[in-house]
Amino acid sequence: AIQITQSPSSLSASTGDRVTITCRASQGVNSYLAWYHQKPGRAPKLLIYGASTLESGVPSRFSGSGSGTDFTLTISCLQSEDFATYYCQQYYIYPWTFGQGTKVEIK
Amino acid sequence: EVQLVESGGGLVQPGGSLRLSCAASGFTFSYYWMSWVRQAPGKGLEWVANIKQDGSEMHYVDSVKGRFTISRDNAKNSLFLQINSLRAEDTAVYYCARDGTGSYYAYWGQGTLVTVSS
Repeated sequence: AIQITQSPSSLSASTGDRVTITCRASQGVNSYLAWYHQKPGRAPKLLIYGASTLESGVPSRFSGSGSGTDFTLTISCLQSEDFATYYCQQYYIYPWTFGQGTKVEIK
Repeated sequence: EVQLVESGGGLVQPGGSLRLSCAASGFTFSYYWMSWVRQAPGKGLEWVANIKQDGSEMHYVDSVKGRFTISRDNAKNSLFLQINSLRAEDTAVYYCARDGTGSYYAYWGQGTLVTVSS
């Protein structure tokens, strides 16, 4: 199975900060990568698919880039509602796999 | 409005079985691949299985092959997961999710908790 390594596993940031999270896949997944965030007790919410396509209704402060094995999620100006755990997911080769998560906490 | 509502979770002894259900509404169920994703307490997300629109193709993560069976009833807009030979490591919230144009998930249910313990 494709292993996805997310980094960092956690970070502390302040409202207004620019935040970058990366995912590295153990083999190429083309652009078949999605990003989610999840708050405690809630289902994940899709942010980006196809590595860089913003899901409808998701604020433009979220952006994604990359292809092949290296991907980045950027939050340009962190808002209070963005404090959550972020996951990437590849859907190129079965079994689909998720990164281990990045917890974004308030500094 | 798309809605996915899971049911069927509960406490079960190791080696036991459960059948999870997901009732779908707000979209044409038969048009979409459907999936199950689980999350152990305090852990990350794990994709479990998916099934093609007509039920003719299914895929599973290796850790559940031979124990879990995904199925669907398009006439009843329902997705199922039969889980047998349960192990402690199967303890998780199980989410039903709808595929988009690819196997990413814009729609999720609220989840149903399966606890495997004696």
